[in-house]
Amino acid sequence: DAGITQSPRHKVTETGTPVTLRCHQTENHRYMYWYRQDPGHGLRLIHYSYGVKDTDKGEVSDGYSVSRSKTEDFLLTLESATSSQTSVYFCAISPGTGAYEQYFGPGTRLTVT
Amino acid sequence: QQQVKQSPQSLIVQKGGISIINCAYENTAFDYFPWYQQFPGKGPALLIAIRPDVSEKKEGRFTISFNKSAKQFSLHIMDSQPGDSATYFCAASKTSGTYKYIFGTGTRLKVLA
Repeated sequence: DAGITQSPRHKVTETGTPVTLRCHQTENHRYMYWYRQDPGHGLRLIHYSYGVKDTDKGEVSDGYSVSRSKTEDFLLTLESATSSQTSVYFCAISPGTGAYEQYFGPGTRLTVT
Repeated sequence: QQQVKQSPQSLIVQKGGISIINCAYENTAFDYFPWYQQFPGKGPALLIAIRPDVSEKKEGRFTISFNKSAKQFSLHIMDSQPGDSATYFCAASKTSGTYKYIFGTGTRLKVLA
């Protein structure tokens, strides 16, 4: 998985609780992305980062925030989890600067009850 | 204008046959088109990608055909094998800016032995 780890791999949480998912890379790639995957929707971009402390919203960012204080770590936070945020979350990285490939982590399965 | 439409949703092919998955995009600014393969419980893995300066790209049994005027591209899997059974996603991106991908909704391929 191209030097990408995600933690936790599985999580069950209750509605209304905050949740933080972590993506860690060892490739020193500039770009990092958070996607969610749901049946019938493919992969949808939540937030992305183009450098340390540089982040921006994707197409489904409501209810999510992100932070990137180091090149290797990109955190996704669900401020107050809802059942609609039950999904599989994938982190991806890309070197950028003339290389457009994105490499995906193994995913985190999140269930909000 | 940001959509990528993928078809079919599911596909069943006999071993040794040709699997064909189609994608259509709307934004003419897209100029990078990757295909991903995903096995159950795993993250998507980059399979093959194409830029609009060529009409076809082949890697082993996998071929991308690209039709710029029709804004369509397709994945052909020759001599399909049971091990190819997976979900396939197309995507489109610009090679400038932040390299954000727009994904199709996926095609579940089953190759019968």
